[in-house]
Amino acid sequence: DTGVSQDPRHKITKRGQNVTFRCDPISEHNRLYWYRQTLGQGPEFLTYFQNEAQLEKSRLLSDRFSAERPKGSFSTLEIQRTEQGDSAMYLCASSSGSSGSTYEQYFGPGTRLTVT
Amino acid sequence: AQTVTQSQPEMSVQEAETVTLSCTYDTSESDYYLFWYKQPPSRQMILVIRQEAYKQQNATENRFSVNFQKAAKSFSLKISDSQLGDAAMYFCALQGGSEKLVFGKGTKLTVNP
Repeated sequence: DTGVSQDPRHKITKRGQNVTFRCDPISEHNRLYWYRQTLGQGPEFLTYFQNEAQLEKSRLLSDRFSAERPKGSFSTLEIQRTEQGDSAMYLCASSSGSSGSTYEQYFGPGTRLTVT
Repeated sequence: AQTVTQSQPEMSVQEAETVTLSCTYDTSESDYYLFWYKQPPSRQMILVIRQEAYKQQNATENRFSVNFQKAAKSFSLKISDSQLGDAAMYFCALQGGSEKLVFGKGTKLTVNP
């Protein structure tokens, strides 16, 4: 068990460019979550997958953001036409369990995005 | 809407002493869970302790314990025998009615030798 991994760990991009982040959850976990954390704040929920199905999306996830989990394993989060306000730490978490139950969410190290 | 409030942006404690971090929350859900997460500098977030709202008994994990006051919607974390490795940001989080965690703004804990 190598834990949740995220790639890249750091990304610097210019405003208007597209970026894509990858998250690899713990192998047996069927649930995967994306959160965003800005400086001095707690993480804010963006979206959640159970297997390959995207079951919940926050209103924070504007139409410039898209997330996928095509085979129910790794997930990608893409931000199109980045804005300076998108600068943040993007956290991925995963958990196991069936619907209606609550299991610990294990977090990855995050991808720090800086938009210049 | 669910909210979590941590009113102490920063706290400090002497090594080997006890410190209590405060958290209040609001939810209309009858079934929910509360968590404390620890985020060390430049390291990933890890779960410290969890409490099911339907359980009256306060959760404990080694040196970490909670004081869960359901009627007051209060969920404080007590760290006993504080160690240098306890220095971190601590986040209180609520999960109820959906899979998402709702976090407070965090409390930065400093442990002085």
